[in-house]
Amino acid sequence: RKEVEQDPGPFNVPEGATVAFNCTYSNSASQSFFWYRQDCRKEPKLLMSVYSSGNEDGRFTAQLNRASQYISLLIRDSKLSDSATYLCVVNRLGYGQNFVFGPGTRLSVLP
Amino acid sequence: SQTIHQWPATLVQPVGSPLSLECTVEGTSNPNLYWYRQAAGRGLQLLFYSVGIGQISSEVPQNLSASRPQDRQFILSSKKLLLSDSGFYLCAWASGTEQFFGPGTRLTVL
Repeated sequence: RKEVEQDPGPFNVPEGATVAFNCTYSNSASQSFFWYRQDCRKEPKLLMSVYSSGNEDGRFTAQLNRASQYISLLIRDSKLSDSATYLCVVNRLGYGQNFVFGPGTRLSVLP
Repeated sequence: SQTIHQWPATLVQPVGSPLSLECTVEGTSNPNLYWYRQAAGRGLQLLFYSVGIGQISSEVPQNLSASRPQDRQFILSSKKLLLSDSGFYLCAWASGTEQFFGPGTRLTVL
């Protein structure tokens, strides 16, 4: 089993739709959690950190459930520019700050 | 503010040729540095990371090597490239809990 797993995708949604991405991690020692977005042929960019209390940034809401080892990302009122691959990332900290990336879920927002 | 540079942006090399990719970070000191590879349509694979000058940890045995000659410089090398070395090479840095990536080098081995 992979340490970080995500919805396989791709997700094809119309503009204005709400879309949710799910991520699970297997290492209970994980301490920090993030969502990154990666546009085609570009580097991943940090979208938001994920906190136990949940956090929101405009149309984006991230949730963390440590007991279930589950992370989610909700995008409301999706825009064409939201089309990208969304990567779930877990940081085990410790030596070298080991960041573990999920395989990503591709989103296409259609006009 | 911190910035991370990688060069070259694209590279086409013949099988068996050497490789040297460079990454430098500005605006921070003593960062953790990372090299990743992303094959076409695939996820990120961690190749090397470094917590300080001269300190390199390898995640995957292969024909690549890394060096950190200065605090903010990280170099990825190979003596002889293989076809399977083609991919998108990303350098990243972290000094807190977050990680930030350079623009990447797209390598094609023919």
